[in-house]
Amino acid sequence: KQEVTQIPAALSVPEGENLVLNCSFTDSAIYNLQWFRQDPGKGLTSLLLIQSSQREQTSGRLNASLDKSSGRSTLYIAASQPGDSATYLCAVYGNQFYFGTGTSLTVIP
Amino acid sequence: DAGVIQSPRHEVTEMGQEVTLRCKPISGHDYLFWYRQTMMRGLELLIYFNNNVPIDDSGMPEDRFSAKMPNASFSTLKIQPSEPRDSAVYFCASKKAGGTYEQYFGPGTRLTVT
Repeated sequence: KQEVTQIPAALSVPEGENLVLNCSFTDSAIYNLQWFRQDPGKGLTSLLLIQSSQREQTSGRLNASLDKSSGRSTLYIAASQPGDSATYLCAVYGNQFYFGTGTSLTVIP
Repeated sequence: DAGVIQSPRHEVTEMGQEVTLRCKPISGHDYLFWYRQTMMRGLELLIYFNNNVPIDDSGMPEDRFSAKMPNASFSTLKIQPSEPRDSAVYFCASKKAGGTYEQYFGPGTRLTVT
């Protein structure tokens, strides 16, 4: 069974810092990997989706990379802002979706 | 499109009562997923449908849980009888077949069983 791990579980940084969130998965037979953002008490919002044939995707200050062979993905957030504070989850899709437990990010003004 | 719609947004019920959660997927989406999220276990897939047919229900915790999708625009998740440990946020998500396989989540139903 696919296992998805996210490190760190929580992260606190001062505003303006660049940061990296990590996601690892055990089975490389995936179709894609998706990064989500979840605000407290809210649903999940899709941030970036990387197809298995792709290496990275970028959207604004966000950049996600995928290394299928090593079972790893990173989400890079440039010039962090207090509005980036949320929980970030990664999910891989093979025969079904598997989610990591998330990284809770706090950006301090 | 209005996105994935879930109702109710909040449900408080007493142990032993029947609970029905509802979901309307995005029009044209072929897949529908039901998830449960708790602090202890994170986000867990309960069941998913393809073209209204249940494909994998291995995540359904017990026989007390059942899900139906009578048509392409409506699905229900029922818990009967409910127990306090069922308290969680239940999400519905949908996606189109093929393409990027991107899934879209509803706002969730927060269930509290007392």
